[in-house]
Amino acid sequence: DVKVTQSSRYLVKRTGEKVFLECVQDMDHENMFWYRQDPGLGLRLIYFSYDVKMKEKGDIPEGYSVSREKKERFSLILESASTNQTSMYLCASSRSHLSRLPGANVLTFGAGSRLTVL
Amino acid sequence: SQQGEEDPQALSIQEGENATMNCSYKTSINNLQWYRQNSGRGLVHLILIRSNEREKHSGRLRVTLDTSKKSSSLLITASRAADTASYFCATGLQGGFKTIFGAGTRLFVKA
Repeated sequence: DVKVTQSSRYLVKRTGEKVFLECVQDMDHENMFWYRQDPGLGLRLIYFSYDVKMKEKGDIPEGYSVSREKKERFSLILESASTNQTSMYLCASSRSHLSRLPGANVLTFGAGSRLTVL
Repeated sequence: SQQGEEDPQALSIQEGENATMNCSYKTSINNLQWYRQNSGRGLVHLILIRSNEREKHSGRLRVTLDTSKKSSSLLITASRAADTASYFCATGLQGGFKTIFGAGTRLFVKA
């Protein structure tokens, strides 16, 4: 069964701590995404990557950075966590929109990582 | 601001009834997708409709797309209690990479 795996389901961190959220996909997808989900706001795109070592800012990149050293892994980094970064973080992957294979642009999501910053 | 906005924000119906959710968006799109999310979990893809399509069916799901009005609707027929979830529309923007989500509709189906 194909899947996207997020390393931590629940995390509790303190203000100022550095936080790593890891995401691994086994579908050989080109694109990977990080969203955060907050009540009433839906999903907001933080960063995405369309290839190894490539990254693009989404709609709310401030306070976050990402790393994609390998095709299957996309990490989200909070350099200095703040309370307003308490949220559900969702990782997703997809085939490139340039792919001729079925499922291009369809996102497969991980189960989510709920981060609480105290 | 969000690209897609769902309407209504919440919907409560009886089992067996049909549920209709609407989505409006702002810019030109390549495709529009609907996803489902059970409480506290990740999203699951339901259906994708391309910008040159007007209607698509998948089991009990029917999606329509009106690009002139920049709107879409998702119809779930003969709803079941297990359909209780949040439903999100998502737009694939022209130029390719990004998929932007709306705030979602919370559907509650009473048994």
